[in-house]
Amino acid sequence: DTGVSQDPRHKITKRGQNVTFRCDPISEHNRLYWYRQTLGQGPEFLTYFQNEAQLEKSRLLSDRFSAERPKGSFSTLEIQRTEQGDSAMYLCASSLAGSSGSGEQFFGPGTRLTVL
Amino acid sequence: QKEVEQNSGPLSVPEGAIASLNCTYSDRGSQSFFWYRQYSGKSPELIMFIYSNGDKEDGRFTAQLNKASQYVSLLIRDSQPSDSATYLCAVNNDYKLSFGAGTTVTVRA
Repeated sequence: DTGVSQDPRHKITKRGQNVTFRCDPISEHNRLYWYRQTLGQGPEFLTYFQNEAQLEKSRLLSDRFSAERPKGSFSTLEIQRTEQGDSAMYLCASSLAGSSGSGEQFFGPGTRLTVL
Repeated sequence: QKEVEQNSGPLSVPEGAIASLNCTYSDRGSQSFFWYRQYSGKSPELIMFIYSNGDKEDGRFTAQLNKASQYVSLLIRDSQPSDSATYLCAVNNDYKLSFGAGTTVTVRA
């Protein structure tokens, strides 16, 4: 069990640039989640997938944000035209839904984004 | 009203003492509850989950759930310096987790 992995771990970008983050979930997990965490706050839900279907998006996810999980395995989160307010830790989590899983979510190490 | 509220910290306890963390939630229909530990600069790590009213023990950790009062707590017995971290309470709402802001615990040696 290699756990959830995320890449890159750190990203510094200039305002207005596009960035893309990748998440690889635990291999047998069929649900994948994206959260955002700012200093002093708990993680905030952004979106989640069951297999390749994106089932829910938070109102926090503006039209500059897009997420995909094309083959039901890894996922990408893209932010277009970054703003300084996008600076945060972006966390990916995965879980196993269904009778064989208890639904607990396990987090990856996160990608820390800094927008200058 | 926030969906999940935790007692404000920071909480400082001497080594070997019991640390008590509290959490309340607003959605009476919530079914599952989680405690995560987060070290500074790291991601949340799941330490406990509870679904049924009552107590659940795992090593030095005990989670307590009272759905009627919409209250979840975490007790850390025999606190160690390595327990110094922020503890996040999370509530499962339609598959996504709603988190409190966390309570920072410092264990004094």
